[in-house]
Amino acid sequence: EDQVTQSPEALRLQEGESSSLNCSYTVSGLRGLFWYRQDPGKGPEFLFTLYSAGEEKEKERLKATLTKKESFLHITAPKPEDSATYLCAVAQETSGSRLTFGEGTQLTVNP
Amino acid sequence: DGGITQSPKYLFRKEGQNVTLSCEQNLNHDAMYWYRQDPGQGLRLIYYSQIVNDFQKGDIAEGYSVSREKKESFPLTVTSAQKNPTAFYLCASSILGRTGFGYTFGSGTRLTVV
Repeated sequence: EDQVTQSPEALRLQEGESSSLNCSYTVSGLRGLFWYRQDPGKGPEFLFTLYSAGEEKEKERLKATLTKKESFLHITAPKPEDSATYLCAVAQETSGSRLTFGEGTQLTVNP
Repeated sequence: DGGITQSPKYLFRKEGQNVTLSCEQNLNHDAMYWYRQDPGQGLRLIYYSQIVNDFQKGDIAEGYSVSREKKESFPLTVTSAQKNPTAFYLCASSILGRTGFGYTFGSGTRLTVV
């Protein structure tokens, strides 16, 4: 059974304090790993897709990396507007278009 | 602008009632999905459909039903058999064969049992 575990559950940072969120996965045949951002009371917003170990993607202050067992979302010099829940999801080769989501990391950036 | 529209934003259900959540997309996406989100539990898949007139159960389909009569529409009915329906419901869509684009989500419906 596919498993996706995110840590920590919650993270508080001061503005400008860089950190990383973790997504560990157990999937037989990874087809893709996805990161989403979700603001309270809204639907998730797509950030990145990673396909293979060693791959990296960047967008503004966010950088996602992938190994064979986990992915990291690095946040450099965060701002209060980066506060949100960050969700990780995986697609498996034999599961068609289905995604399996982790439980998310709630990030709060204080000014 | 293309996107997914979920309605209503808030819905209240009495015990024993069936309610239907609407999901419409104008993205010309092939596949559509319904997820349930509870605090601290992430997103759990209820049903999904990859083609009109066909759909598959997800991980928590009991107490729910769906239809896919049109490519643009994928309504979810929460039946009285669903014992704990209070949750945030999210509809999503995707292009089949284009894994890299991920899902596009609607803004959600918050269902409360009163």
